[in-house]
Amino acid sequence: NAGVTQTPKFQVLKTGQSMTLQCAQDMNHNSMYWYRQDPGMGLRLIYYSASEGTTDKGEVPNGYNVSRLNKREFSLRLESAAPSQTSVYFCASSETGGYSPLHFGNGTRLTVT
Amino acid sequence: KNQVEQSPQSLIILEGKNCTLQCNYTVSPFSNLRWYKQDTGRGPVSLTIMTFSENTKSNGRYTATLDADTKQSSLHITASQLSDSASYICVVSASGGSYIPTFGRGTSLIVHP
Repeated sequence: NAGVTQTPKFQVLKTGQSMTLQCAQDMNHNSMYWYRQDPGMGLRLIYYSASEGTTDKGEVPNGYNVSRLNKREFSLRLESAAPSQTSVYFCASSETGGYSPLHFGNGTRLTVT
Repeated sequence: KNQVEQSPQSLIILEGKNCTLQCNYTVSPFSNLRWYKQDTGRGPVSLTIMTFSENTKSNGRYTATLDADTKQSSLHITASQLSDSASYICVVSASGGSYIPTFGRGTSLIVHP
């Protein structure tokens, strides 16, 4: 049982390049999330998907797009990377409702030069 | 605006000693509060959940308390071990409407031998 799997683990981009971060969960969860974590800022929500076919903006959505490909997969795309997007990105999933814990992947460390 | 404040920002203790981490929140209406542990290079993992009716809950050497009147929670770690070195994140969920939780910025704990 892998839980939440994120790829890649590390990535270096040049300013203006694009890339897609992949996330897959095998727990049959309805809800999936993308967070970024910066030193001193904690985890901030970028986008989330309450169920297959729906996506909503979080606290810091600018510069990002998402796709809920199916129930298992939720991808995050950077169309034109900027140095301000240098961060660690975490994908998470949970069952529907506020009492369920978030299950996190181990993150993608992205550097934009 | 829903907010979660954690203190201290960082803490260094000797192995075997006890410590207490604090969390104050303004999330309303309150549903539940979770403490997560995040090891370096890994995603956060849920330690415990506190609901409105619960004052104290233990998980091994971790004991969480909740005072819903003063909107405060604490996480007490007894007889610390080197493996307790991590970031501890307080996360509060509101009831009704959006189920998106509010994250604190975390307390970084270092346990020295």
